[in-house]
Amino acid sequence: AQKITQTQPGMFVQEKEAVTLDCTYDTSDPSYGLFWYKQPSSGEMIFLIYQGSYDQQNATEGRYSLNFQKARKSANLVISASQLGDSAMYFCAMREGLTGGYQKVTFGTGTKLQVIP
Amino acid sequence: ETGVTQTPRHLVMGMTNKKSLKCEQHLGHNAMYWYKQSAKKPLELMFVYNFKEQTENNSVPSRFSPECPNSSHLFLHLHTLQPEDSALYLCASSQDLAGGRGTQYFGPGTRLTVL
Repeated sequence: AQKITQTQPGMFVQEKEAVTLDCTYDTSDPSYGLFWYKQPSSGEMIFLIYQGSYDQQNATEGRYSLNFQKARKSANLVISASQLGDSAMYFCAMREGLTGGYQKVTFGTGTKLQVIP
Repeated sequence: ETGVTQTPRHLVMGMTNKKSLKCEQHLGHNAMYWYKQSAKKPLELMFVYNFKEQTENNSVPSRFSPECPNSSHLFLHLHTLQPEDSALYLCASSQDLAGGRGTQYFGPGTRLTVL
């Protein structure tokens, strides 16, 4: 089974509008972390935001917020006031076993976001 | 320089060539990673190093040979590659392997084409 599922291969959003990118995950580990990365066409994976499984509040970083619904195992990324520079691939990722030793990070297949002027 | 740098950014090589990819991190991290990114596939973890020691080899063919001389530098030596090895190769680093968030910071990648 896929550990990280991103069901939207591509999304369009009007400039200055908000957009939600979906991510669902699968784990039986009570301690895990969820990440979102942005990958512009230049190739670099840029870390955007992190949510820990025990964090009481949804994470926010500027225009990025993470809508964390633990019972539904979803960690959707919300981008407010979209800008043309937000056009990129967005990857959701998870690291399990935060309280133990090393656990590798699992990435989803990504969502391509295009912001329309 | 800041963050994670990779050279070269683009590389075209024949199947009989030998080349190396270089990664350098300026973040004071102790763990470094090589990933392969192919079209329409999730990132594939190839190798993990922690304090210069290899801790993971994800069943990578021997035509890929990593080297980590210190915590700041990571190399990927390539020889007798196949066309299916064409991909974006990403280097990443994190503070260490265990504990904390383990957030990985990536370089810009090397776009490799094998003819």
